[in-house]
Amino acid sequence: EDQVTQSPEALRLQEGESSSLNCSYTVSGLRGLFWYRQDPGKGPEFLFTLYSAGEEKEKERLKATLTKKESFLHITAPKPEDSATYLCAVQAQGAQKLVFGQGTRLTINP
Amino acid sequence: ETGVTQSPTHLIKTRGQQVTLRCSSQSGHNTVSWYQQALGQGPQFIFQYYREEENGRGNFPPRFSGLQFPNYSSELNVNALELDDSALYLCASSFGTISGNTIYFGEGSWLTVV
Repeated sequence: EDQVTQSPEALRLQEGESSSLNCSYTVSGLRGLFWYRQDPGKGPEFLFTLYSAGEEKEKERLKATLTKKESFLHITAPKPEDSATYLCAVQAQGAQKLVFGQGTRLTINP
Repeated sequence: ETGVTQSPTHLIKTRGQQVTLRCSSQSGHNTVSWYQQALGQGPQFIFQYYREEENGRGNFPPRFSGLQFPNYSSELNVNALELDDSALYLCASSFGTISGNTIYFGEGSWLTVV
């Protein structure tokens, strides 16, 4: 069964303090690994899709990387507005569904 | 803004009642999926609709059913509501059924069952 585990569950950083969020996965043939940002009471906002090991994508202060077993979301010099829950999900080859982790709740203090 | 719109945004129902949630997909998207997200958890796949047919289903009982209309909008129906059905229900749209296409989510419908 496809499975996603995110760590840590919660992370508090000071503004400007860089860090990384981890997403470990097992899937029967990866088609795509997705990162989403979710603000309280809102739907997930699409950030990145990664398709193969070694791939990297960047958007503003965020950079996502992928290996055969895990993905990292690196956040550089974060700002308070980066505070949110970050969700990781995998989609298997030929599958319709996304399998999500529980998310990492990120808080950036000013 | 993703272009995926859901209604209603919030509702309260009594145990045993039935509920219908609605979703309009992003322009150009012909595939709609529904997810249930309990508080503090990641979303769980309920089912997907493509060309008005169910095209995959997660581990949810038959009292969760859906429809897709010719304009690609969709409904999620839940019968015989239980307290554990209280959650955020998310609609997601994409183009086609080829996995790996970008999937966009709406803002969700908050359902509280009392």
